[in-house]
Amino acid sequence: AQTVTQSQPEMSVQEAETVTLSCTYDTSESNYYLFWYKQPPSRQMILVIRQEAYKQQNATENRFSVNFQKAAKSFSLKISDSQLGDTAMYFCAFMVGTYKYIFGTGTRLKVLA
Amino acid sequence: GAVVSQHPSWVICKSGTSVKIECRSLDFQATTMFWYRQFPKQSLMLMATSNEGSKATYEQGVEKDKFLINHASLTLSTLTVTSAHPEDSSFYICSDGRDLYNEQFFGPGTRLTVL
Repeated sequence: AQTVTQSQPEMSVQEAETVTLSCTYDTSESNYYLFWYKQPPSRQMILVIRQEAYKQQNATENRFSVNFQKAAKSFSLKISDSQLGDTAMYFCAFMVGTYKYIFGTGTRLKVLA
Repeated sequence: GAVVSQHPSWVICKSGTSVKIECRSLDFQATTMFWYRQFPKQSLMLMATSNEGSKATYEQGVEKDKFLINHASLTLSTLTVTSAHPEDSSFYICSDGRDLYNEQFFGPGTRLTVL
């Protein structure tokens, strides 16, 4: 079965600090796509960053970067210079073959002023 | 701006009634759309894949007779919760399948409360 695990239900970080959210997944496929989505209190899902499994280089998007370890099936998200607007639920997800997205259980991040 | 809309944003209904939720792709002709369900403080679970002009594909454990999906046009998919019960109360989110390898565009969601 293909699964996504986020082991940190809740995290907090001081404004301007750095925080890392963990995600592990399980699949037997060799090619797939990984994503981090953000769900703020408005509940609107927003893409944060994506990574293609065949690319070794870690994706970065402004203050957001990932540490993709394919062998370990790990895909963590690092948020640098945390801002109050980063407060949200963060979901790790991957997509393989059949266009089905599988989401993790989410990590609730709170940025403290 | 938003590229996928949902209506209504919230609805309260009595047990036993049916509720229809609309999902519109505002700037894309979507042959495929997706319906998710999200319980409080839980993840998104794919319920079904809506296919324009053909039957929807339901995920295992999702009752197709209870959650009726119609994708009659390239911009509109509807989810009808039939004979709703309190346990159907949830947050329902749709998305369109325009660019799944790069991003999935989600609607803002519909909160259903069944009394």
